[in-house]
Amino acid sequence: AQTVTQSQPEMSVQEAETVTLSCTYDTSESDYYLFWYKQPPSRQMILVIRQEAYKQQNATENRFSVNFQKAAKSFSLKISDSQLGDAAMYFCAYRSGEAGNKLTFGGGTRVLVKP
Amino acid sequence: EAQVTQNPRYLITVTGKKLTVTCSQNMNHEYMSWYRQDPGLGLRQIYYSMNVEVTDKGDVPEGYKVSRKEKRNFPLILESPSPNQTSLYFCASTLRGRNTGELFFGEGSRLTVL
Repeated sequence: AQTVTQSQPEMSVQEAETVTLSCTYDTSESDYYLFWYKQPPSRQMILVIRQEAYKQQNATENRFSVNFQKAAKSFSLKISDSQLGDAAMYFCAYRSGEAGNKLTFGGGTRVLVKP
Repeated sequence: EAQVTQNPRYLITVTGKKLTVTCSQNMNHEYMSWYRQDPGLGLRQIYYSMNVEVTDKGDVPEGYKVSRKEKRNFPLILESPSPNQTSLYFCASTLRGRNTGELFFGEGSRLTVL
């Protein structure tokens, strides 16, 4: 079974600075997707960014980018120019490309943004 | 507006009192799923459904039931709730099979069992 590990329970960043959240996963599959979801205090799960494993290029969405290291099974999220609205819980998630639509989540990292 | 709607959003109940959390989506998605979120554990899948009348267990199905009689609805049933089912619950849906992989989530239901 796949597992996803987020080793940082909480990260703090100064407004306008950069923070990087780590995520590692364990799988024997070669075809899969990786995601970062944001959960603000409203509890809504918001998709931040996705990465297809077959793509070598790292995904980017505005101030959010990932560092996808397939061999190392690492998928970190970088938030640049942090804003107060970035304060939230962030979840890394894995989905098999072959077996169903299930997402396997990491335990989450809480991001605090200091003004 | 495309959405997944859960009800109730908040519920406090007592041990043993049956309850149902409803979930409805308006995106014609075949796949629907329930997750529970607990601190430090992230979200874990309870049950899922690939289509009408097709349901299967996820990682933590004990104490829960589901049904899928209509494509849009996927209720979660707690026949005899216990305090260890106190959690934040999410319903999610997506198109079945190979696609972008994104799950669309409801707004969550906070359940407390006393």
